[in-house]
Amino acid sequence: DQQVKQNSPSLSVQEGRISILNCDYTNSMFDYFLWYKKYPAEGPTFLISISSIKDKNEDGRFTVFLNKSAKHLSLHIVPSQPGDSAVYFCAARDAGNTGKLIFGQGTTLQVKP
Amino acid sequence: DTGVSQNPRHKITKRGQNVTFRCDPISEHNRLYWYRQTLGQGPEFLTYFQNEAQLEKSRLLSDRFSAERPKGSFSTLEIQRTEQGDSAMYLCASSTWTSATNEKLFFGSGTQLSVL
Repeated sequence: DQQVKQNSPSLSVQEGRISILNCDYTNSMFDYFLWYKKYPAEGPTFLISISSIKDKNEDGRFTVFLNKSAKHLSLHIVPSQPGDSAVYFCAARDAGNTGKLIFGQGTTLQVKP
Repeated sequence: DTGVSQNPRHKITKRGQNVTFRCDPISEHNRLYWYRQTLGQGPEFLTYFQNEAQLEKSRLLSDRFSAERPKGSFSTLEIQRTEQGDSAMYLCASSTWTSATNEKLFFGSGTQLSVL
């Protein structure tokens, strides 16, 4: 049972445009959500997070939106840059279990110059 | 702050052999996690420690897998009698956990295991 789903395996956008990566979850007990970015041959690196008490968090070019009623979150990158090309994972934490994150399958973003 | 260090970066072994991986977390991080990632999937939780105590193990972790963090610093993950299905990237992460803050995991570059 995949509790965190990223239904788009890949996304391609033009440099300077907006990238929107989506993530759906099924467990209403999730209280904290994170996005990680992964380059080949490297471990995931933390990008941005949001608590379930908020619906938006912004950090520079990156904004995460949370829609709890729809159990959906999205990551917006604007403007997109070629260096943003990577695999993006969303992850969620169960409020009843602070010890681990549940990851989605990842979305590969390609930003074309 | 040198980041999370994992050794070796790559390991090729024959089926049935034992392998051991090491993880050195960011100093003073009290939590250490092991995850496994296969191609096309996200990282999958295996186990985690708070200081030297192992607080949770995934039910996916068979008896052939064991992890230790003897002094609350570095950790080792051992896989006994490896199987081809154990081939994956094994990721270690560490964090500073307090009851007052949401923790962020910092990942190492992983150990890529290939079982022939």
